[in-house]
Amino acid sequence: DQQVKQNSPSLSVQEGRISILNCDYTNSMFDYFLWYKKYPAEGPTFLISISSIKDKNEDGRFTVFLNKSAKHLSLHIVPSQPGDSAVYFCAASPNRDDKIIFGKGTRLHILP
Amino acid sequence: GAGVSQTPSNKVTEKGKYVELRCDPISGHTALYWYRQSLGQGPEFLIYFQGTGAADDSGLPNDRFFAVRPEGSVSTLKIQRTERGDSAVYLCASSFFGRGLGEQFFGPGTRLTVL
Repeated sequence: DQQVKQNSPSLSVQEGRISILNCDYTNSMFDYFLWYKKYPAEGPTFLISISSIKDKNEDGRFTVFLNKSAKHLSLHIVPSQPGDSAVYFCAASPNRDDKIIFGKGTRLHILP
Repeated sequence: GAGVSQTPSNKVTEKGKYVELRCDPISGHTALYWYRQSLGQGPEFLIYFQGTGAADDSGLPNDRFFAVRPEGSVSTLKIQRTERGDSAVYLCASSFFGRGLGEQFFGPGTRLTVL
């Protein structure tokens, strides 16, 4: 069973607009949530994280929102840039230094 | 400083052979993790080390898979009697235990192909 779900395999967004990537999880024991970005032939790159005691964390153009009651989180990228085209993985962990459970990823295309 | 490095970057082997995949974590990182990623999937946890000991090996698929980290730095993932289903990208990550919000830093991976 998939504990972290990314239901959109792909998303296309115009350059300069907002990109919103969504993620749902099923395990209420998750305490930390992370987003990773991956380019072809490279390992995943950490983007941003949030702990379960917060509902928002912002870092530059990237903001993660957490809705614990809905078991839902989202990543907002504003404004979207061509270099943002990549696969984005939503991930969760029960403890800070524990294994990470990943979703299947969403491929983001930024259109010129 | 340097990131996580993994060798080899590509490994092609025949069914039934033994392979070793190596991971060099970021200097000073105490925790080291192995994942594997199949096509169209996210990374899947295999095992993680805290220092020299395996803190959680619940993700290893069967006893053909084994990993060591004898000196608390470099780690080797060993796969015996490889099968075609073992073909995947094997990713290594490291982190500084007790810091941050659980972010792990990944290497570029080793692409294993079993013919």
